[in-house]
Amino acid sequence: AQSVSQHNHHVILSEAASLELGCNYSYGGTVNLFWYVQYPGQHLQLLLKYFSGDPLVKGIKGFEAEFIKSKFSFNLRKPSVQWSDTAEYFCAVNGYKLSFGAGTTVTVRA
Amino acid sequence: NAGVTQTPKFQVLKTGQSMTLQCAQDMNHNSMYWYRQDPGMGLRLIYYSASEGTTDKGEVPNGYNVSRLNKREFSLRLESAAPSQTSVYFCASSEAGGATGANEQFFGPGTRLTVL
Repeated sequence: AQSVSQHNHHVILSEAASLELGCNYSYGGTVNLFWYVQYPGQHLQLLLKYFSGDPLVKGIKGFEAEFIKSKFSFNLRKPSVQWSDTAEYFCAVNGYKLSFGAGTTVTVRA
Repeated sequence: NAGVTQTPKFQVLKTGQSMTLQCAQDMNHNSMYWYRQDPGMGLRLIYYSASEGTTDKGEVPNGYNVSRLNKREFSLRLESAAPSQTSVYFCASSEAGGATGANEQFFGPGTRLTVL
């Protein structure tokens, strides 16, 4: 079976703090990996994706993620968050199907 | 390009009523998807259409039907709404076919449905 686990349900940060959101998956084969973001009242948008090559992937708005195959992880990072990063973040994994994690709500306080 | 559009944005139904959620995309994508989003559960796939003329069940298809009207449009129908179907519904499209959705999926703005 394939599943995706996001470690944190809700993260609260102050502006300029660093952010790291954990994502682990269970699937033994080749995977494509995604992080989506959903800003309040908006639809899901792609932040970044990994298909192959350099396991450190850079996305939009200063986000990056690192694929560690041995740990089945694809953690999302941003060195310095802004108030506008307040959103819900979803990790998605495509093995034999596309599966989404439960999401992490990130609240950035000004 | 409008991308993926959905109508309506909000809907309130009574138990047992029926309704159809509409979705259209103008990106010439082959594959389209319907998801529901519930708190703490992420997105769950209801139905998908790998290409025009085909539809398949996803993870949670019970209580729903779909129609791939043409390459652009993919509708979701609730024949007899139940309170358990209260959710936010998202339509998505992608270039790749099948449930894998290997390429990036583009999402619509969602429909917030409440069943009383």
